[in-house]
Amino acid sequence: GAGVSQSPRYKVTKRGQDVALRCDPISGHVSLYWYRQALGQGPEFLTYFNYEAQQDKSGLPNDRFSAERPEGSISTLTIQRTEQRDSAMYRCASSYALLGLETQYFGPGTRLLVL
Amino acid sequence: GEDVEQSLFLSVREGDSSVINCTYTDSSSTYLYWYKQEPGAGLQLLTYIFSNMDMKQDQRLTVLLNKKDKHLSLRIADTQTGDSAIYFCAGPEDSSYKLIFGSGTRLLVRP
Repeated sequence: GAGVSQSPRYKVTKRGQDVALRCDPISGHVSLYWYRQALGQGPEFLTYFNYEAQQDKSGLPNDRFSAERPEGSISTLTIQRTEQRDSAMYRCASSYALLGLETQYFGPGTRLLVL
Repeated sequence: GEDVEQSLFLSVREGDSSVINCTYTDSSSTYLYWYKQEPGAGLQLLTYIFSNMDMKQDQRLTVLLNKKDKHLSLRIADTQTGDSAIYFCAGPEDSSYKLIFGSGTRLLVRP
């Protein structure tokens, strides 16, 4: 079946603008995760949902970052008043199990560049 | 919390075996994973190993786990140019959903 999809694949924005990044998980996957990956580094955890409930947002860097998953499927990561340091690859993953211990399958990512 | 370390770069000749190494700190890790990242593509799950296993073989891939030394390795037999990519090992922090990734090992396969 289809994998995790993310849109847009690339986003260029000016400093101070808001951006919304979308993730469509694998159908039937209960858990959804957002990670951020800087150049030359591995992904770093941002936040995690079970169904529509945001279980953990401890990795969000500050209050300009927020995420939602209102119907327990598609999720949106929003960054308000973007700054150049927000430039990175944003990756979404989903897994089947409620407890989040099942394998996470990643989407292609959204590369964000803040000018 | 979990900390995962990898060597940064490995270069091998086509047809040789590649061994990518990883060390981790969290002894409670239930699973350990290897992901592959190719340019323009997502993170592809390659394989994983349960913490109660020492070895797992999957076609050209062999994963070895040394729990005593907290060392994980990925061996790719008969390495092909299509194996050129960045390889990440990852483990869950405190046996949770939160995956901690290494910085990745860039594998270059020379013809």
